[in-house]
Amino acid sequence: DIVMTQTPLSLSVTPGQPASISCKSSQSLLHSDGKTYLYWYLQKPGQPPQLLIYEVSNRFSGVPDRFSGSGSGTDFTLKISRVEAEDVGVYYCMQSIQLPGTFGQGTKLEIK
Amino acid sequence: EVQLVESGGGLVKPGGSLRLSCAASGFTFSSYSMNWVRQAPGKGLEWVSSISSSSSYIYYADSVKGRFTISRDNAKNSLYLQMNSLRAEDTAVYYCARGEYGPDYWGQGTLVTVSS
Repeated sequence: DIVMTQTPLSLSVTPGQPASISCKSSQSLLHSDGKTYLYWYLQKPGQPPQLLIYEVSNRFSGVPDRFSGSGSGTDFTLKISRVEAEDVGVYYCMQSIQLPGTFGQGTKLEIK
Repeated sequence: EVQLVESGGGLVKPGGSLRLSCAASGFTFSSYSMNWVRQAPGKGLEWVSSISSSSSYIYYADSVKGRFTISRDNAKNSLYLQMNSLRAEDTAVYYCARGEYGPDYWGQGTLVTVSS
């Protein structure tokens, strides 16, 4: 199975400040079809995960533009340009180039 | 509006069985692959099983292979997970999620507790 490693595992950010989460995969997520199957999710307290970013850098419908994704191959980053109170929760990266799809351990974002 | 509503969770003894259901609405169910993903209490996310739109392709995590069976009824817009030989480590919230690659919509989940 592909192992997804996130850092840091927790983050405490002042509102209005930026935040960044790294995700590294044990194998390249670049498929022969040219797509890279890396996704970012946010799980707010008491809620199911919600899709933020698909295929590395594409924001899902309704996701604010303060969220951005980047990276290639095995190294990926989720950035929040200006953290807001509603951004608290656990962020997960996920790969689906190979089954089983696997998730990172999660990064818990708290507000200072 | 896309809606996924899971049901069927509950308390079951080790070795027992349970059947989860997911009722889908707000989209053409028969056009999408579907997934079950679980989350043990206080833990991260674990992909459990996937089924293609026409049930041609089915995949299972090694941890549930041989014990769980995924199925769907496109006429009823429903997804199922038959869980047999349940173990304590199967205790989790089970989410139904839409999509072949990165699931885009998720249900609220149903809690399965395996305990004597």
